[in-house]
Amino acid sequence: QVQLVQSGAEVKRPGASVEVSCKASGYTVTDYAIHWVRQAPGQRLEWMGWINAGNGNTRYSQRFQGRVTITRDTSASTVYMEVSSLRSEDTATYYCARVGLGLPFDYWGQGTLVTVSS
Amino acid sequence: DIQMTQSPSTLSASVGDRVTITCRASQSIRSWLAWYQQKPGKAPKLLIYEASSLESGVPSRFSGSGSETEFTLTIGSLQPDDFATYHCQQYNTYPYTFGQGTKLEIK
Repeated sequence: QVQLVQSGAEVKRPGASVEVSCKASGYTVTDYAIHWVRQAPGQRLEWMGWINAGNGNTRYSQRFQGRVTITRDTSASTVYMEVSSLRSEDTATYYCARVGLGLPFDYWGQGTLVTVSS
Repeated sequence: DIQMTQSPSTLSASVGDRVTITCRASQSIRSWLAWYQQKPGKAPKLLIYEASSLESGVPSRFSGSGSETEFTLTIGSLQPDDFATYHCQQYNTYPYTFGQGTKLEIK
């Protein structure tokens, strides 16, 4: 069965970087894209960007351009998202999600809480 | 960016009720709209895609309709498991955007 398993919760200082991983299983990873979505407390879901796990092409929301980098390691079936220059407003649960064939986000990771606090 | 606005933000209903949630887009998104259900501490779950197509395994009491800028999610007869937050999402244009969510509460 398709599964996306994310890395554990993180606590970071303002100005630091964080990397969240998303390990895929149960399907051919290079056949699908992985997107990242975050949800700050009490806020709506926010799309951040995506990677074509096959060729590594990426696209980012302008809101995060320059601060977010998405990469993948096909041998490990894992996608990574790094957010740099963290600020308190980046405190949120970060989700990876697969875009299915003709579908929007059909499978989601369990979420990773990133807390930014001094 | 395309703005997505849901109404109502909160909805109180009883088991067995029929409920409807509306989602409006600030410009046409054709039929590229999805609905998700989210429970506290959990990831969203896809219910409806392309405005009206039911995701595999989702109960048939869930249905979606609409096109262009106005969309609805209807739950035919509420079950206890349906009390959750519902989100709409457009995937017509980057950046993909979501509605603010509708919390469905037990009356």
